[in-house]
Amino acid sequence: KAGVTQTPRYLIKTRGQQVTLSCSPISGHRSVSWYQQTPGQGLQFLFEYFSETQRNKGNFPGRFSGRQFSNSRSEMNVSTLELGDSALYLCASSREGTGEETQYFGPGTRLLVL
Amino acid sequence: AQSVSQHNHHVILSEAASLELGCNYSYGGTVNLFWYVQYPGQHLQLLLKYFSGDPLVKGIKGFEAEFIKSKFSFNLRKPSVQWSDTAEYFCAVNALTNAGKSTFGDGTTLTVKP
Repeated sequence: KAGVTQTPRYLIKTRGQQVTLSCSPISGHRSVSWYQQTPGQGLQFLFEYFSETQRNKGNFPGRFSGRQFSNSRSEMNVSTLELGDSALYLCASSREGTGEETQYFGPGTRLLVL
Repeated sequence: AQSVSQHNHHVILSEAASLELGCNYSYGGTVNLFWYVQYPGQHLQLLLKYFSGDPLVKGIKGFEAEFIKSKFSFNLRKPSVQWSDTAEYFCAVNALTNAGKSTFGDGTTLTVKP
């Protein structure tokens, strides 16, 4: 069974630009969550999508947004990039996102904002 | 709100030493508990998980963890570490009703000296 895949793996952008990251969950998984990992803040929850609807949202500004498609693939978008957005962005999937479930993580997209 | 506290930020051990990493969580409801490991240059991998039942859970690579409900703790142990265990270890919790949103501890960097 293929794992969670994320594209691209690396990105370099400049301040003010916007970026879109993609995540393909494990087949059959309908819950997709996004996390930001930085050395200073650790792993922080961004949002979760289930059945094309945002079900949970973390404490990030509105510049961070996402969506989920009917095939459960998800994208996250960051607009007006800031230096502090440099991070590893992780996507995780699970079947339903409720109950006794494990989230499976992808390799991440490393974003560098210059 | 959920929170997770990992007591040690950086642990240095010699090979064959025993390991115990502390993790305490705060949440009023029923939770799922996890330990993840992130080897240098690799993505987050599940070490072990606790959903219900026997509070002593065994994971991969000889790791185990004990859930003590009265102490809100889920400490990770390994009787004899190897150089290849050098990695960052994260304790995480999610609610049974909201498994798509995990809260992570700050992580513990383990360095094992050969």
